[in-house]
Amino acid sequence: DGGITQSPKYLFRKEGQNVTLSCEQNLNHDAMYWYRQDPGQGLRLIYYSQIVNDFQKGDIAEGYSVSREKKESFPLTVTSAQKNPTAFYLCASSYRDGYTFGSGTRLTVV
Amino acid sequence: GNSVTQMEGPVTLSEEAFLTINCTYTATGYPSLFWYVQYPGEGLQLLLKATKADDKGSNKGFEATYRKETTSFHLEKGSVQVSDSAVYFCALSDQGYDYKLSFGAGTTVTVRA
Repeated sequence: DGGITQSPKYLFRKEGQNVTLSCEQNLNHDAMYWYRQDPGQGLRLIYYSQIVNDFQKGDIAEGYSVSREKKESFPLTVTSAQKNPTAFYLCASSYRDGYTFGSGTRLTVV
Repeated sequence: GNSVTQMEGPVTLSEEAFLTINCTYTATGYPSLFWYVQYPGEGLQLLLKATKADDKGSNKGFEATYRKETTSFHLEKGSVQVSDSAVYFCALSDQGYDYKLSFGAGTTVTVRA
């Protein structure tokens, strides 16, 4: 079955550490996205990529970094510069306006 | 820029009640409009969509009509069930541009038996 796999489902980070969230898709979609979800704020776009080896900042890119070396993969690194990283992170891929979402990673700073 | 304004929740209903969640939008061009649903601890699932004015999207008893004159895309269901308890998001994407989704804040719906 085609879909998007996010891992891990739960992630705990100590203050000052970088962590990387994985996102893999086998839908052959060109475009991939990372969203952050906080209670009562909907989903906010962090980064997106429309083609391999290219990506653009979204609305809240500060403190995050991404890479897009393969069409199937779009990992997100939450760096120590992100002051409030505790949130639910959703990855998505799309062909035009047909989106598929992963099941999310919940990141908690301890 | 594009934006979506969604009715604030939470909304609590009894089973078989009528549900409506208001959604209005601001967009340049001719956006596609969507309703997504999120169950606890999960990602988003597409509930329905409409791609042009006066289109009606429908799925699982839910309906929404693309109203260009009022820039609205209100979600309705005539008789809710406990299993409809979830968070509902209204969203839009610019057709023919980069297809990025812009989301409303989400509305939490709880249906009591």
